[in-house]
Amino acid sequence: NAGVTQTPKFQVLKTGQSMTLQCAQDMNHNSMYWYRQDPGMGLRLIYYSASEGTTDKGEVPNGYNVSRLNKREFSLRLESAAPSQTSVYFCASSDGAFNSPLHFGNGTRLTVT
Amino acid sequence: AQSVAQPEDQVNVAEGNPLTVKCTYSVSGNPYLFWYVQYPNRGLQFLLKYITGDNLVKGSYGFEAEFNKSQTSFHLKKPSALVSDSALYFCAVRDNGGGSYIPTFGRGTSLIVHP
Repeated sequence: NAGVTQTPKFQVLKTGQSMTLQCAQDMNHNSMYWYRQDPGMGLRLIYYSASEGTTDKGEVPNGYNVSRLNKREFSLRLESAAPSQTSVYFCASSDGAFNSPLHFGNGTRLTVT
Repeated sequence: AQSVAQPEDQVNVAEGNPLTVKCTYSVSGNPYLFWYVQYPNRGLQFLLKYITGDNLVKGSYGFEAEFNKSQTSFHLKKPSALVSDSALYFCAVRDNGGGSYIPTFGRGTSLIVHP
């Protein structure tokens, strides 16, 4: 029972490089989310997917793209990484109901130099 | 619009003493309220939630939270703190009065329990 699995755990990129952060959940959840966490800023929503086949922008979408590959998987892509994207990235999922909590992965720590 | 505030960046408490981590919220309709805990190098873990009913909600690891509608608060409490409770705590809210199902998170409160 893995829950939400994120890969990789750590990544160092040079400015301008691209990469994809992978996320998969095994709870048959409809909704998936990508957040970034920065000191003093709390959690900020980047993109979310209410259900398979849909994606929407969150609070800080610039510089990112997402793909909801299927019900299980939701990836986040940085096309041209910038130092401002140095952060810890969390994927989460939920069944979409108002009274249901989010389930989080353990994060990807990304450094852009 | 929905919003949530955690007025304290850090709370310090001695082991064995009671602890309180504060959260206030603002919604148009009725709130769905959640507490999460984050240990170092881990994701957020769900602790407890208030949907309706009893104002005192019990959750994991001996934590409880008190919902107060008149003060629009949902403070997290524990009668006797443990050093292992030291972590980052997040409050979150959803507004079921036409608000988004996307929860709004507070900025987090760092709880430090001293031996």
